[in-house]
Amino acid sequence: AQKVTQAQTEISVVEKEDVTLDCVYETRDTTYYLFWYKQPPSGELVFLIRRNSFDEQNEISGRYSWNFQKSTSSFNFTITASQVVDSAVYFCALSDWGGSEKLVFGKGTKLTVNP
Amino acid sequence: DTEVTQTPKHLVMGMTNKKSLKCEQHMGHRAMYWYKQKAKKPPELMFVYSYEKLSINESVPSRFSPECPNSSLLNLHLHALQPEDSALYLCASSQGEGRPREDTQYFGPGTRLTVL
Repeated sequence: AQKVTQAQTEISVVEKEDVTLDCVYETRDTTYYLFWYKQPPSGELVFLIRRNSFDEQNEISGRYSWNFQKSTSSFNFTITASQVVDSAVYFCALSDWGGSEKLVFGKGTKLTVNP
Repeated sequence: DTEVTQTPKHLVMGMTNKKSLKCEQHMGHRAMYWYKQKAKKPPELMFVYSYEKLSINESVPSRFSPECPNSSLLNLHLHALQPEDSALYLCASSQGEGRPREDTQYFGPGTRLTVL
């Protein structure tokens, strides 16, 4: 069965600090997708990134970066120089190669960035 | 454009009311989803429509009735709900079957439902 673990329930940092959100997954599939979504207090789930299991390249998008390591089944998310607007709940999710019909979500990490 | 719209934003209803939630997307996506999200929990999948046909029903009680009138619209009809059904209801869409490389779910802003 597929499973996503986000061990950090809540993280609080001060603005401009770097912060890493951890995501560990379990799957028997050899091909799969990993996702990160951001959910601000307004409620909308905002898509941040999709990573295919055969592509282990790390990705950087502005202040955001993602570290995918198949050897440790981890897909961690780092925010550099955090800002108050980064305050949200962040969900890591997993789906199999057949498509993303069923997303398996982690329980989420609530990030609070204080001024 | 990756926009999914949902109406209404907020809904308060009594247990004997009948109401509907609406979701719309104009991205040409062929898969649409309903999720329920309780406070401090991840979204839970309720229904999936693929090419306007119901493909997944996650054993949702019959007081929730989905409808997909066309490829751009998705409704969720509510009847005789219970207070424990109060939650954020999220709609999502994705390109659907046949295009797994591009299949990312994009979510709407949600409807906050309160059942009195």
